Amino acid sequence: GAVVSQHPSRVICKSGTSVKIECRSLDFQATTMFWYRQFPKQSLMLMATSNEGSKATYEQGVEKDKFLINHASLTLSTLTVTSAHPEDSSFYICSASRGAPGNEQFFGPGTRLTVL
Amino acid sequence: AQRVTQPEKLLSVFKGAPVELKCNYSYSGSPELFWYVQYSRQRLQLLLRHISRESIKGFTADLNKGETSFHLKKPFAQEEDSAMYYCALSTLNNDMRFGAGTRLTVKP
Repeated sequence: GAVVSQHPSRVICKSGTSVKIECRSLDFQATTMFWYRQFPKQSLMLMATSNEGSKATYEQGVEKDKFLINHASLTLSTLTVTSAHPEDSSFYICSASRGAPGNEQFFGPGTRLTVL
Repeated sequence: AQRVTQPEKLLSVFKGAPVELKCNYSYSGSPELFWYVQYSRQRLQLLLRHISRESIKGFTADLNKGETSFHLKKPFAQEEDSAMYYCALSTLNNDMRFGAGTRLTVKP
């Protein structure tokens, strides 16, 4: 159990367009979902935390207007990269937890975004 | 501020040798600490957490509050242990802070 999927796994887009990435918890209800960004050979950087039904909490330095996060249900969160630019090219990973502090996070496989 | 430090980016040992991956943290509250592992071409997955005090795949980690450390140890490394290991700290808000990661290579 506790599987998290992401779609798409890979996306290439033109500069200036918007891209939506979906994160789903397949067999459990995820009270909290997280979005991370991972640069090559670097660690995961938390971008934002989202609780179902409420606004996401963004980490310092993450532009909330650029990275729109929606967590409309207990099994789905979306990250939309608006007006993407080449510097937004990265590996985006979501995770989901059942919500209690210290709960294990279950990670999605990641989405590779390439902005041309 | 919460911070997790993994001082070694790369660690290489021979099969059968002991291995220790270092992790230090800074957090004003009571920490919840984890080790996550990412095998080649696989997603990140939980290896162990300090609260359960378990041994997974021969790995153990003890939380040392005095030294603010949570080092990961295994007495006899295996080739299949080669992977990227991340130490992580969970805050009261359930945010997870990851260390930079250590790439472990176990040579035959």
